[in-house]
Amino acid sequence: NAGVTQTPKFQVLKTGQSMTLQCAQDMNHNSMYWYRQDPGMGLRLIYYSASEGTTDKGEVPNGYNVSRLNKREFSLRLESAAPSQTSVYFCASRTPDKYSYGYTFGSGTRLTVV
Amino acid sequence: SQKIEQNSEALNIQEGKTATLTCNYTNYSPAYLQWYRQDPGRGPVFLLLIRENEKEKRKERLKVTFDTTLKQSLFHITASQPADSATYLCALDESNAGNMLTFGGGTRLMVKP
Repeated sequence: NAGVTQTPKFQVLKTGQSMTLQCAQDMNHNSMYWYRQDPGMGLRLIYYSASEGTTDKGEVPNGYNVSRLNKREFSLRLESAAPSQTSVYFCASRTPDKYSYGYTFGSGTRLTVV
Repeated sequence: SQKIEQNSEALNIQEGKTATLTCNYTNYSPAYLQWYRQDPGRGPVFLLLIRENEKEKRKERLKVTFDTTLKQSLFHITASQPADSATYLCALDESNAGNMLTFGGGTRLMVKP
């Protein structure tokens, strides 16, 4: 089925460890996004990529890096994980027709940093 | 500062009734507003988008209104069903470029049979 695929679904890290969250979409969308969702804080934008080859910071970029590998893939990297990065991470993509359709989200990665 | 506010308290209604959820915003001039549904353990799912020049939009049992003067959107589910129980999120594009979608905290809807 067409959509946004995230891996892994669950991950436990120790403080200081690094990891990369993977995201791929097969809808030929130009724009891709990384959000984190925390209780009481809602969804907050970490980074986005308006098109292949470009990335920009969102509301909460500190502690993260991203790579837009190609049109399909947009990865999020935690270089040195901290307990404050315990969260659920969602990747999303958007069709160019921004006045008709919203974002398509993946099913999320639940990350715990101990 | 910019804010998007949704009632953080759960809305409990009886099956068959109309559910009405509110989204208020300040310090935005959005070109459009979106509504999403989120089930536990899942990603948000896009439901409806309404543009600033549209007062109302419908999709099956869903209706959204958008009042740019009041800075408010109302989301209605008519003939509600237990399967409609979920958290509903409203979202605005801060940049109007589609690249900075900001979400409200969501309202949990519980429809009782």
